[in-house]
Amino acid sequence: NAGVTQTPKFRVLKTGQSMTLLCAQDMNHEYMYWYRQDPGMGLRLIHYSVGEGTTAKGEVPDGYNVSRLKKQNFLLGLESAAPSQTSVYFCASSYSTGAPLDTQYFGPGTRLTVL
Amino acid sequence: AQSVTQLDSQVPVFEEAPVELRCNYSSSVSVYLFWYVQYPNQGLQLLLKYLSGSTLVKGINGFEAEFNKSQTSFHLRKPSVHISDTAEYFCAVSNAGNNRKLIWGLGTSLAVNP
Repeated sequence: NAGVTQTPKFRVLKTGQSMTLLCAQDMNHEYMYWYRQDPGMGLRLIHYSVGEGTTAKGEVPDGYNVSRLKKQNFLLGLESAAPSQTSVYFCASSYSTGAPLDTQYFGPGTRLTVL
Repeated sequence: AQSVTQLDSQVPVFEEAPVELRCNYSSSVSVYLFWYVQYPNQGLQLLLKYLSGSTLVKGINGFEAEFNKSQTSFHLRKPSVHISDTAEYFCAVSNAGNNRKLIWGLGTSLAVNP
């Protein structure tokens, strides 16, 4: 049981390049989330998904796209990277059906630098 | 709208001393409250949570927190800290009626010194 895994762990991009971050969870969770973490700004929600095939915008969605084609995977895409997207990205998942509370389980993070 | 304020951005403390990390929230509805911990270069993990019932909640690693509805606070405490408790601590709140999303505080950096 690996929990939540993220690929890659580190990446350096040039401005304008594109990339996809992959999040996978093996806990059969319904909900998945993408956050970014920046110094002094805490965690900010980018996009989230409440089930396979559904996505929704979070607090800071501009410049990012997501897809949830399979229940266990949640992809975060940057179509044209900008230096402002330099950050540490965290994926999280939680289970909802029948449960009164969603405890979020986090991946180890992806450190992205955009030059 | 809900919000979370962690009153201290940094808390230095000596080993074996007690510590309190403060968290206040604002909400017009019932809430669930959480504390998460982030060790250096790792993801976040749940320390403890308040759903309902007893206002004193015990979590992992000897931490506990008390929900105070009248003061809208959820302060985290530990009676004796260890070097290994050095980490970033995040308070978060969710709407008890729609808990799909968490509202996060900015974090408190706890530095335990020998």
